[in-house]
Amino acid sequence: GNSVTQMEGPVTLSEEAFLTINCTYTATGYPSLFWYVQYPGEGLQLLLKATKADDKGSNKGFEATYRKETTSFHLEKGSVQVSDSAVYFCALSDRGGGFKTIFGAGTRLFVKA
Amino acid sequence: GAVVSQHPSRVICKSGTSVKIECRSLDFQATTMFWYRQFPKKSLMLMATSNEGSKATYEQGVEKDKFLINHASLTLSTLTVTSAHPEDSSFYICSAGGEGAGFYNEQFFGPGTRLTVL
Repeated sequence: GNSVTQMEGPVTLSEEAFLTINCTYTATGYPSLFWYVQYPGEGLQLLLKATKADDKGSNKGFEATYRKETTSFHLEKGSVQVSDSAVYFCALSDRGGGFKTIFGAGTRLFVKA
Repeated sequence: GAVVSQHPSRVICKSGTSVKIECRSLDFQATTMFWYRQFPKKSLMLMATSNEGSKATYEQGVEKDKFLINHASLTLSTLTVTSAHPEDSSFYICSAGGEGAGFYNEQFFGPGTRLTVL
């Protein structure tokens, strides 16, 4: 079945540091890939997405590239801010899975001033 | 577009009572909706797939008699937690979308409902 594996946290960075959160996936079909962010006490927000190989999703300075050859979708940001502190979920969805969204375990990010 | 709402956002109930949570797609029709559960500091666990006009499909380990799902229309799915107990306290999130609604492989998530059972 489909699955998503992402690096365990928590990740603690200083403001303006470079961020990478690794994500790899297993899927039988051709999934779309997503990064969601969840701020404390809130629901999920879509951060970015990519629907096919080599697509790059980007939003608010965050980027991730759909790498089919390595089955990866790593999240990066060049300079994090305190306001980026949240939990980040990598996820996939595809037709073969009935469009269910399968989530990784989540990575908690703390950014210090 | 593509907005999904949930009601209520928070509910506190006594043990043994039943609680109904509504999930609505506000500006599109969804033949399929999904219900997730999130424990504190954990990821989202898919509970069931809600299908309009037919029975829900439950994931392994989810009690269908405990978590009743009704997809009464193309814009509304409800999750009823029956005879709730403290261990049912959790954050419940629904989603809607997908190719049938014109959104390629993408689900749109509601804001969640926080259930606390005393």
